[in-house]
Amino acid sequence: DTGVSQNPRHKITKRGQNVTFRCDPISEHNRLYWYRQTLGQGPEFLTYFQNEAQLEKSRLLSDRFSAERPKGSFSTLEIQRTEQGDSAMYLCASSLSAGTQYGYTFGSGTRLTVV
Amino acid sequence: DAKTTQPTSMDCAEGRAANLPCNHSTISGNEYVYWYRQIHSQGPQYIIHGLKNNETNEMASLIITEDRKSSTLILPHATLRDTAVYYCIVMIGGGSNYKLTFGKGTLLTVNP
Repeated sequence: DTGVSQNPRHKITKRGQNVTFRCDPISEHNRLYWYRQTLGQGPEFLTYFQNEAQLEKSRLLSDRFSAERPKGSFSTLEIQRTEQGDSAMYLCASSLSAGTQYGYTFGSGTRLTVV
Repeated sequence: DAKTTQPTSMDCAEGRAANLPCNHSTISGNEYVYWYRQIHSQGPQYIIHGLKNNETNEMASLIITEDRKSSTLILPHATLRDTAVYYCIVMIGGGSNYKLTFGKGTLLTVNP
């Protein structure tokens, strides 16, 4: 297993366009998390899945954002009608169920630039 | 989850031990201390975690005070590749609704 994979690594889009990012977690991990990180800040939690169920969404996740994890495998994060404030690094992480002995494994992120 | 306080930045000479402090004075009995680091343009990387005993792995050592109100991450022989932002996070172990909440961390710069 090569870890958590995110695609694309970079995305430049015009304001108002829709974008979709993909995350492939470690195969045996049943939890998947999305975070957003802006310059100089730590990652901010957006949402997470236990298998295919989306269990929590941050208030940062406006109605322009939607995340799915069909069949509990890969996940997609879609942003509709992008705004310049959406420019950020979007990070995906996965873990085994919330046992404390398991840390999160993060992907390298997708850097979104809205122009 | 309890909040943590870390210095904004620290410097360390290559080959020396790097000691990164973290205060978590409001930590509760069932909260663990986690450390992650983030090298520029990469996702965060898990380093180590502990509850009350000191822990050591191939990357680092974690020293937690007896009252659990503070901890220190020790990189025994820092290299240039250890330059990164280091995050100290406390989180309740187990349960279905707990997730990592990051602060701004400490930027550790290892100098040649």
